[in-house]
Amino acid sequence: EAGVAQSPRYKIIEKRQSVAFWCNPISGHATLYWYQQILGQGPKLLIQFQNNGVVDDSQLPKDRFSAERLKGVDSTLKIQPAKLEDSAVYLCASSRGVLLGELFFGEGSRLTVL
Amino acid sequence: ELKVEQNPLFLSMQEGKNYTIYCNYSTTSDRLYWYRQDPGKSLESLFVLLSNGAVKQEGRLMASLDTKARLSTLHITAAVHDLSATYFCAVRPNTGNQFYFGTGTSLTVIP
Repeated sequence: EAGVAQSPRYKIIEKRQSVAFWCNPISGHATLYWYQQILGQGPKLLIQFQNNGVVDDSQLPKDRFSAERLKGVDSTLKIQPAKLEDSAVYLCASSRGVLLGELFFGEGSRLTVL
Repeated sequence: ELKVEQNPLFLSMQEGKNYTIYCNYSTTSDRLYWYRQDPGKSLESLFVLLSNGAVKQEGRLMASLDTKARLSTLHITAAVHDLSATYFCAVRPNTGNQFYFGTGTSLTVIP
């Protein structure tokens, strides 16, 4: 079974530029999550999708971050314009969506904002 | 605000020794998960604990859950260098489908 795929693995941009990250979850997983992990901290939820609908985006900085999951499969997370404090690893995870399911993570996309 | 606290944050231990990592949380939950993260890598699922009193063991690691105390422990027996990593606990409140992660415990096992 293929795991969660993410790209790009690394991205360096200057502040005020834009960036987009892509995620393809495990086949059949209805729930998809984007987490932000700052160095030395635990993952922080940005947005959660159930199929193609948003379940929770309460911690997503909507003035600069956006995410979509068209057709309920893969997803894109965009940052525009980026700030220095956005430097982090952006982790995509998926689960079957049932109440007891665990999260499966991708390798992450490491963003450096200069 | 929901809190998930781990202690210690940093742990340096000698090979062969035993130690316990603690995870306290502030919500009603009987769904607790432990993950391992190696440097520069993603998170790998270790244990899924889904009821009060649940205990799971895999090799030198054993995890338990006390939902009444809102506490989970990850016990390390006779540590080996390969266990060096950062360990995270994550809680799913009984209401909702979100995962809330702890601060992480960075474990270094010294030969």
